[in-house]
Amino acid sequence: GQNIDQPTEMTATEGAIVQINCTYQTSGFNGLFWYQQHAGEAPTFLSYNVLDGLEEKGRFSSFLSRSKGYSYLLLKELQMKDSASYLCAVRDPQRGGSYIPTFGRGTSLIVHP
Amino acid sequence: GAGVSQSPSNKVTEKGKDVELRCDPISGHTALYWYRQSLGQGLEFLIYFQGNSAPDKSGLPSDRFSAERTGGSVSTLTIQRTQQEDSAVYLCASSLGVREAFFGQGTRLTVV
Repeated sequence: GQNIDQPTEMTATEGAIVQINCTYQTSGFNGLFWYQQHAGEAPTFLSYNVLDGLEEKGRFSSFLSRSKGYSYLLLKELQMKDSASYLCAVRDPQRGGSYIPTFGRGTSLIVHP
Repeated sequence: GAGVSQSPSNKVTEKGKDVELRCDPISGHTALYWYRQSLGQGLEFLIYFQGNSAPDKSGLPSDRFSAERTGGSVSTLTIQRTQQEDSAVYLCASSLGVREAFFGQGTRLTVV
């Protein structure tokens, strides 16, 4: 089976740094994705990790530890527009042999002034 | 096209009616996914198409749900005899092989 856990909700202050954690238990692993989803909109791709380590892209960074089944998304210099849901998704190649991302429930981030 | 296009954007239907939801993936994308998202919930996988391979239907919740992909491009998700629990946002995504998936805006289905 597959189990992906994220905190339900987080709050942070504009200009600060926030780290959103994701832990997973899957029978196999072939990549982890982070998506951002604003209310009423489609998820948009943020980052992809397949090897251990940190991937940096502007204000956003994503870290992966495959041995620990753990990832985090780091958001720096928070802006009000970063208020959204952040979805962690893991691709398990053993799931019927298909490359289907399985999503966690998402973390709702609220940025306040 | 420029992005994944879904239609209709909103659909209200009476319980027991059949509905068809359409997805136009990004041109050239070989993989197509259908997910649904209920209020406050995560994305629930429904069905996956990859090239000419047989689709992975392991996420379809019941035999009232079916989907097809014609010519390796446009996909239609059909829900027969809709029930109130089918109310959700149905999201379609496409990807180039195993790369990141790009989502459409979704179809909000309301069964009354």
